[in-house]
Amino acid sequence: NAGVMQNPRHLVRRRGQEARLRCSPMKGHSHVYWYRQLPEEGLKFMVYLQKENIIDESGMPKERFSAEFPKEGPSILRIQQVVRGDSAAYFCASSPQGAADTQYFGPGTRLTVL
Amino acid sequence: QKEVEQDPGPLSVPEGAIVSLNCTYSNSAFQYFMWYRQYSRKGPELLMYTYSSGNKEDGRFTAQVDKSSKYISLFIRDSQPSDSATYLCAMSARETSGSRLTFGEGTQLTVNP
Repeated sequence: NAGVMQNPRHLVRRRGQEARLRCSPMKGHSHVYWYRQLPEEGLKFMVYLQKENIIDESGMPKERFSAEFPKEGPSILRIQQVVRGDSAAYFCASSPQGAADTQYFGPGTRLTVL
Repeated sequence: QKEVEQDPGPLSVPEGAIVSLNCTYSNSAFQYFMWYRQYSRKGPELLMYTYSSGNKEDGRFTAQVDKSSKYISLFIRDSQPSDSATYLCAMSARETSGSRLTFGEGTQLTVNP
């Protein structure tokens, strides 16, 4: 039974480029969360999605960041015009409906902005 | 003031020791409490999940929640070198419709053989 899958595991971008991070939740899970872990800091919530709906995006920066979870396919976290301060580990978590706080995390995508 | 405070350590103990990890929080709406273990450059792994006050035991791990003091603990008995990792406390306010987790900064633990 595959866990939460994220790709790519490592992503290098130059300032001004776009970064796309993908997350496939565990089988049977309908809730997806994105968190960011900056160097020497804890995990910070960014956004919570269900299929085709953004439920809570209160942790997302107001500009350049967007997320989606389409009816088919993985959830995507998109960062436009990346800056060096976006360098971090981005983790996706999923949970089954009805047990939404039992969140299981993927291995993360480590974004480096040059 | 941070919503969740956790001593970042580092904490170093000999193999076989009892380890105590703690978090305090300020938001009285938190009802669900979790401990995650994170190995270096890996994703967090859910260890314990508890609701409201009380104790929960799973093998060598015991989680305690004291809502009156806004204080949670994780105890690791007979610690092993493989327990060396960063331990993150996390908590949330709602269950049925899903909610964000608020994390502590993590405590880095090393168990020496």
